[in-house]
Amino acid sequence: EVQLVQSGAEMKKPGESLRISCQGSGYSFSSHWISWVRQMPGKGLEWMGRIDPIDSYAHYSPSFQGHVTMSVDKSTSNVYLQWSSLKASDTAIYFCARHFYDGTETENWFDLWGQGTLVSVSS
Amino acid sequence: DIVMTQSPDSLTVSLGERATINCKSSQSLFYSSNNKNYLAWYQQKPGQPPKLLIYWASSRESGVPDRFSGSGSGTDFTLTISRLQAEDVASYSCQQYYASPYTFGQGTKLEIK
Repeated sequence: EVQLVQSGAEMKKPGESLRISCQGSGYSFSSHWISWVRQMPGKGLEWMGRIDPIDSYAHYSPSFQGHVTMSVDKSTSNVYLQWSSLKASDTAIYFCARHFYDGTETENWFDLWGQGTLVSVSS
Repeated sequence: DIVMTQSPDSLTVSLGERATINCKSSQSLFYSSNNKNYLAWYQQKPGQPPKLLIYWASSRESGVPDRFSGSGSGTDFTLTISRLQAEDVASYSCQQYYASPYTFGQGTKLEIK
């Protein structure tokens, strides 16, 4: 089955660090960029940035640049999203999403999504 | 950043009727070199991740029922759900992929009357 499976919900305190994961399976992992998308409680979707599993090049939205770090482990088909110091305003559901790739072109719509990881940050 | 604005914020439609959701971008999403509009639509049911419905403004994703259709060009786009079914209760969002950062509309919540 083609799927993205994300790590479980996290409860953290402000200032703590965190890394969440997204594992791809059932497809050629390295062929598709992966993006991270934030959904704050009761709000819309926000694109945070994307990473290329081939070379680990990450491109961030200016709104998230410097606040999060994306990384890849090709050996385990995992993509990671990491915070060094969480804030209460980081409380949200985080989705990983696969970019469409038809064998020649990558497009920037998302044809496969993870189930989401709820991150709660509170003192 | 390209701002995406959807209307209405919420919509109540009777079963079997038509639902229309609008999406307006702050700049044109039409790329003349390939004659395509860089817009996608997603459906998100409560407690679930988004699901791709439409890309290139009007191309239906594989497996999506043909009662879902997308139209529009430039800055004005529409998602139409004909013959509304109970399973269509969800939030619907447009997304531009013309330029980074890729931005979404605020979402439109569709309910059954």
